[in-house]
Amino acid sequence: GENVEQHPSTLSVQEGDSAVIKCTYSDSASNYFPWYKQELGKRPQLIIDIRSNVGEKKDQRIAVTLNKTAKHFSLHITETQPEDSAVYFCAATVAGAQKLVFGQGTRLTINP
Amino acid sequence: EAQVTQNPRYLITVTGKKLTVTCSQNMNHEYMSWYRQDPGLGLRQIYYSMNVEVTDKGDVPEGYKVSRKEKRNFPLILESPSPNQTSLYFCASSLGGASSYNSPLHFGNGTRLTVT
Repeated sequence: GENVEQHPSTLSVQEGDSAVIKCTYSDSASNYFPWYKQELGKRPQLIIDIRSNVGEKKDQRIAVTLNKTAKHFSLHITETQPEDSAVYFCAATVAGAQKLVFGQGTRLTINP
Repeated sequence: EAQVTQNPRYLITVTGKKLTVTCSQNMNHEYMSWYRQDPGLGLRQIYYSMNVEVTDKGDVPEGYKVSRKEKRNFPLILESPSPNQTSLYFCASSLGGASSYNSPLHFGNGTRLTVT
């Protein structure tokens, strides 16, 4: 079955700097890779996702890159702001499957 | 407002006392799922359901039961809770499954369960 490893577990950056969170997956058949953001005391919410026929996807200050050969994908946040402080989860699965396997989470702290 | 509603938000119970956490969605979603969130382990799937009367095990189903008698409701049942089931639980729903590109998972607000 799929296994997803996420690093780092905690990340602290200065406001305005960039943050990068990396995930690796084990199942070469996986082709759907979402990222969820969970603010303190709140529910996880989807912020961006990518399919394996796309190498990169951007949405304003966030972007996700995918390297299918190496089986890893990354979340990039530029010009970080205090509201970016949260726990971020990556996930991977085969599109259409009913199991979404999550990484362990990264607690991102933006320092003013 | 489209939402997934879980109850209760907080629950403290004792070992062996049966409990049910309710989950209801008002978006006519086919797919519903339960996850537990533990520090350092991320979100792990307990059970999921593709439709009424169709349920299946996730990665950590031991000690849990579910039912899907109506499309909108997907309760999580702990017949004999144990301390290792102390966790934060999330219910989620989706129109097209766990991994549909244009149909993300919508999570409830979570239920923090403590078993003593």
